[in-house]
Amino acid sequence: RKEVEQDPGPFNVPEGATVAFNCTYSNSASQSFFWYRQDCRKEPKLLMSVYSSGNEDGRFTAQLNRASQYISLLIRDSKLSDSATYLCVVNFGNEKLTFGTGTRLTIIP
Amino acid sequence: DAGVTQSPTHLIKTRGQQVTLRCSPISGHKSVSWYQQVLGQGPQFIFQYYEKEERGRGNFPDRFSARQFPNYSSELNVNALLLGDSALYLCASSLWGSDEQYFGPGTRLTVT
Repeated sequence: RKEVEQDPGPFNVPEGATVAFNCTYSNSASQSFFWYRQDCRKEPKLLMSVYSSGNEDGRFTAQLNRASQYISLLIRDSKLSDSATYLCVVNFGNEKLTFGTGTRLTIIP
Repeated sequence: DAGVTQSPTHLIKTRGQQVTLRCSPISGHKSVSWYQQVLGQGPQFIFQYYEKEERGRGNFPDRFSARQFPNYSSELNVNALLLGDSALYLCASSLWGSDEQYFGPGTRLTVT
């Protein structure tokens, strides 16, 4: 089993729709969690950290469920510019980030 | 402020050759990590350095080595290149004790 698992997609979603991604991780002792965004042939960029209480940044909401070992990202009112690959990232407490394979999202006009 | 910088941006090498990739962290960041990203996968951790010392190592062969300099810049060296080493090599910097890492644009290595 992979340490961090994501549905690779692709997700093709009409503009203005709401889309949600889930990610599961294998180690219950995991310390911190993130969502990164990666555009085609570019570097990953930190989208948001994920806190136990959940957090929101504009149209983006991230949630953490430690009991079930999953993380989610919700994008509301999706824009064409949201098209990218979204990477679920976990720090297992060993000073390295472990990435999922990414979920590809395409927003359709 | 400048972000993480990496050089070169692209590189083509042949099997058996050696390559050195360079990274300069964000000003004030003392920790540098290296990742390998092959097509269709997420980045995989190779090394982390802090204060010129290796603080973490991923599951990569000894052909991969790195070092960090007093100005916190870093080099990744790969010997005896294989076709499978073709990938995007990413450098990320962070404040020590913070796991929010910021990535450079990467070096795209092609081994023929």
